[in-house]
Amino acid sequence: GENVEQHPSTLSVQEGDSAVIKCTYSDSASNYFPWYKQELGKGPQLIIDIRSNVGEKKDQRIAVTLNKTAKHFSLHITETQPEDSAVYFCAASLNDKIIFGKGTRLHILP
Amino acid sequence: ETGVTQTPRHLVMGMTNKKSLKCEQHLGHNAMYWYKQSAKKPLELMFVYNFKEQTENNSVPSRFSPECPNSSHLFLHLHTLQPEDSALYLCASSQDSATSTDTQYFGPGTRLTVL
Repeated sequence: GENVEQHPSTLSVQEGDSAVIKCTYSDSASNYFPWYKQELGKGPQLIIDIRSNVGEKKDQRIAVTLNKTAKHFSLHITETQPEDSAVYFCAASLNDKIIFGKGTRLHILP
Repeated sequence: ETGVTQTPRHLVMGMTNKKSLKCEQHLGHNAMYWYKQSAKKPLELMFVYNFKEQTENNSVPSRFSPECPNSSHLFLHLHTLQPEDSALYLCASSQDSATSTDTQYFGPGTRLTVL
């Protein structure tokens, strides 16, 4: 079955700097890769997603890249702000199965 | 978060109690899910319902019993739980669980503590 590895587990960056979170997946047939942000006391919320026929997608300060050959995808947050502090989860989906990574706790330092 | 609501938000129960978690989605979706979120572990899918039919039971112990009376409501009935069942239980919905590219929308979760 699918396996998703996510790194790092914790990331601290200075406000204004960029943050990068990386994930790898095992099943080359996976075709949908969402990223979720979970703030304290809330459920995960979708922030961006990418499908396997696309290599990169951007939405304001957030971008996701996908390398199907290497089976890895990354989340890039530029010009980080205090409200970006949260836990971020990547996921890989195939048919009716979605597998999540363990999460990255992002701290934005003042 | 008005799309998917969960009640209660917090629940403390003894191992011999029986309680139920409730989830309601206001998005017109056909698929609903229960997940367990424990510290330092990936989200664990427990159950999937698509058009009110259970399509996935991810080897969940029988002390957890789901119920889906219609496409908008999902329950998780709990009985004789163990302390290791303490976790955040998340409900999610999507348009159709059979479509892998459907976005899942999560509720805020119920924080369950089993004493």
